[in-house]
Amino acid sequence: AQSVTQPDIHITVSEGASLELRCNYSYGATPYLFWYVQSPGQGLQLLLKYFSGDTLVQGIKGFEAEFKRSQSSFNLRKPSVHWSDAAEYFCAVGAGNNDMRFGAGTRLTVKP
Amino acid sequence: NAGVTQTPKFRILKIGQSMTLQCAQDMNHNYMYWYRQDPGMGLKLIYYSVGAGITDKGEVPNGYNVSRSTTEDFPLRLELAAPSQTSVYFCASSYSSGAGAEQYFGPGTRLTVT
Repeated sequence: AQSVTQPDIHITVSEGASLELRCNYSYGATPYLFWYVQSPGQGLQLLLKYFSGDTLVQGIKGFEAEFKRSQSSFNLRKPSVHWSDAAEYFCAVGAGNNDMRFGAGTRLTVKP
Repeated sequence: NAGVTQTPKFRILKIGQSMTLQCAQDMNHNYMYWYRQDPGMGLKLIYYSVGAGITDKGEVPNGYNVSRSTTEDFPLRLELAAPSQTSVYFCASSYSSGAGAEQYFGPGTRLTVT
């Protein structure tokens, strides 16, 4: 079965600094990849997704992610972080019917 | 549209009690899902449904039951609650099925079993 690893449990960045959250997946074929964000006390909201085609995908709130097949990675980036970006971020891989696997999440703290 | 709604938001159960977590969606989605989220573990799929009257097990179904009598509602039943079921439960829905389907999540139910 597919799996997802998010190596960083917690990341702290200063407001205005750039951000990169790492995600590695394991799956035998081309995966469907997602990044979700969860604000405190809320459900998950989709930031962006990759199915095929251009390996650099743009999402909401100024986020982007790049699919690198050779590295089995789908890292999330943002050029300049805002205080409102503080949240938990989940990478997920979909494969097969209704089988989506989530990573353990990365908690982002933004320093003023 | 309200999207995906869940009730209650919080609940404390004693060991051995039972309860039903409610989930409803108003987006006319055929596909609905129940996940549990444990600290540091991400989300794990408990059960899912591909339409009214059709349900199937996910990765961690033991100790839970579901039913789907209407398109809108997908309740999750806990029988004989155990401390291991302390978790945050999320319901989700999607318009289509398959690996690429975007799922829409409810706000969650925080359950504590003591």
